[in-house]
Amino acid sequence: DIQMTQSPSSVSASVGDRVTITCQASQGISSWLAWYQQKPGKAPKLLIYAASSLQSGVPSRFSGSGSGTDFTLTISSLQPEDFATYYCQQANSFPPTFGPGTKVDIK
Amino acid sequence: QLQLQESGPGLVKPSETLSLTCTVSGGSISSSSYYWGWIRQPPGKGLEWIGSIYYSGSTYYNPSLKSRVTISVDTSKNQFSLKLSSVTAADTAVYYCARVTMVRGVPFDAFDIWGQGTMVTVSS
Repeated sequence: DIQMTQSPSSVSASVGDRVTITCQASQGISSWLAWYQQKPGKAPKLLIYAASSLQSGVPSRFSGSGSGTDFTLTISSLQPEDFATYYCQQANSFPPTFGPGTKVDIK
Repeated sequence: QLQLQESGPGLVKPSETLSLTCTVSGGSISSSSYYWGWIRQPPGKGLEWIGSIYYSGSTYYNPSLKSRVTISVDTSKNQFSLKLSSVTAADTAVYYCARVTMVRGVPFDAFDIWGQGTMVTVSS
């Protein structure tokens, strides 16, 4: 199985901050990476697929980049509703695997 | 719009079989060539893919769970189901059903629509 790691595991930030989360795959996954946002008690929500494609309805302050083994999720200007945990998922090969998550909380 | 809803017992005894159903509303499970999947999340932990099914019935399981998992589809009821046998406390989790995106038409792609999740506790 492809192992996914994320850094940092948590980040404290303020409204308006630029936040960057990284995800690394244990082997190359081309651009087949997805990002999800999960709030407490809620299901994950797809933000980005294919590394950089914004899911319909997701604000443009979210962006994704990367290919191969290293990927980045950027929130350009953090909003109050963005405080959540973010997960990456490799969608390159069977079985799909998720990263351990990055919690974004209020500074 | 398309919605998914999980249902099933919230408490299962050790060694028994966990059974959950996902009901799809707002669209037909078989009218579009989507894969449908189950994902779980133990309390306070990360996400684990359990398996996916095509509307025709083809199934794909996580090798770590394959010996205990069965996923099936009932197109007449617009539902798909999960059975996990010989459960232990390690199977305690929130179980989500979800739709796999159609970007590439593979069963392990991103999940674009999720149910709200249902908590299943394994305890005697």
